[in-house]
Amino acid sequence: DAGITQSPRHKVTETGTPVTLRCHQTENHRYMYWYRQDPGHGLRLIHYSYGVKDTDKGEVSDGYSVSRSKTEDFLLTLESATSSQTSVYFCATGGFSPSYEQYFGPGTRLTVT
Amino acid sequence: AQKVTQAQTEISVVEKEDVTLDCVYETRDTTYYLFWYKQPPSGELVFLIRRNSFDEQNEISGRYSWNFQKSTSSFNFTITASQVVDSAVYFCALSEFSGGYNKLIFGAGTRLAVHP
Repeated sequence: DAGITQSPRHKVTETGTPVTLRCHQTENHRYMYWYRQDPGHGLRLIHYSYGVKDTDKGEVSDGYSVSRSKTEDFLLTLESATSSQTSVYFCATGGFSPSYEQYFGPGTRLTVT
Repeated sequence: AQKVTQAQTEISVVEKEDVTLDCVYETRDTTYYLFWYKQPPSGELVFLIRRNSFDEQNEISGRYSWNFQKSTSSFNFTITASQVVDSAVYFCALSEFSGGYNKLIFGAGTRLAVHP
């Protein structure tokens, strides 16, 4: 357990509204990740961060932005939510080496109506 | 491109049966890592095992065992004497070390239902 919390845990929002999801970790891990989980797709990487203010795009980054102003916090923003962004969002942390497993937060269920 | 395939979408067994979850991967890397995660009905993702590409020894942990075969690019997971608590979605994942960053490529998952 890497001490990862996500907030909110559940959110319902309307199409076109901005939404920010927060991930907070207490392990001082350098690398943080945002994934979305959809049926039939497993988990897909949205964005990741390799340090404060250092971020990059993942596989499904369109419509999302991220920010990391502190080591412990990694924010995911949907600038203008769409129904296709209804999903479960997971934050994860992990080490630099691919031998390190990633530890996941509890997830945020987002519904865009 | 790296890819992980879990061909079994859902498996249903009766308690005490043995069950094997298949995982096939594609990668051009010579050094890579494979993982299995469990997602119980409560929704969290639980790390189960990590295996590197140079270690083809099978691993056993209690009722769980893993069979890694590079020749067939497979990393299969067997649960012996399944129990209701094993009911979950299981994900196989492959690490991609790209540009100095560690990213996980997940399979679509296999939903295992163990019935009493």
